[in-house]
Amino acid sequence: AQTVTQSQPEMSVQEAETVTLSCTYDTSESDYYLFWYKQPPSRQMILVIRQEAYKQQNATENRFSVNFQKAAKSFSLKISDSQLGDAAMYFCAYRSALWTGTALIFGKGTTLSVSS
Amino acid sequence: KAGVTQTPRYLIKTRGQQVTLSCSPISGHRSVSWYQQTPGQGLQFLFEYFSETQRNKGNFPGRFSGRQFSNSRSEMNVSTLELGDSALYLCASSPGQGGNQPQHFGDGTRLSIL
Repeated sequence: AQTVTQSQPEMSVQEAETVTLSCTYDTSESDYYLFWYKQPPSRQMILVIRQEAYKQQNATENRFSVNFQKAAKSFSLKISDSQLGDAAMYFCAYRSALWTGTALIFGKGTTLSVSS
Repeated sequence: KAGVTQTPRYLIKTRGQQVTLSCSPISGHRSVSWYQQTPGQGLQFLFEYFSETQRNKGNFPGRFSGRQFSNSRSEMNVSTLELGDSALYLCASSPGQGGNQPQHFGDGTRLSIL
């Protein structure tokens, strides 16, 4: 069974600084997808960034980028130029590339606080 | 385009009762998944529906059930409620099946069991 581990329950960063959230996963599959979701106090889960395992290039979405190390099974999220609106809980998630039965498997989350 | 709509947003029930939660996916999306979020267990997958058929099920007791209608709307039912069922229930929709299909989440239904 696949597992996702986020070892940092809480992180803090100052506005305009950079922060990196860690995520490791375990799987025996070779093809899969990895995601970072953001959940602000409003509760809605918002997709931040997605990485396809067969792509070596790290995904980037504006201020958000990932460091995907397939061999190490590591998938960290870097937030550059942090903003107050980035404060939220961040979840790392895994999804199999199999056609059917593709549930998201989430880590426990990292609460990110941003100070001015 | 309207997002995923979950109703109600809040619900209070007592032990032993049953409850039905509703999820309307994004227009055109045919796959709906349900997740339970609790402080202790985190986010756990309940089940996934596609074309009115349950395609995958998580490790939850039979008290948890669901269905999907021809318009892709989905309902989740929990019978004989227990205190441990208190949670945020999230619904997510995607255009189709497959791991490459991004899942879009609703705001969730907060269920409290007294």
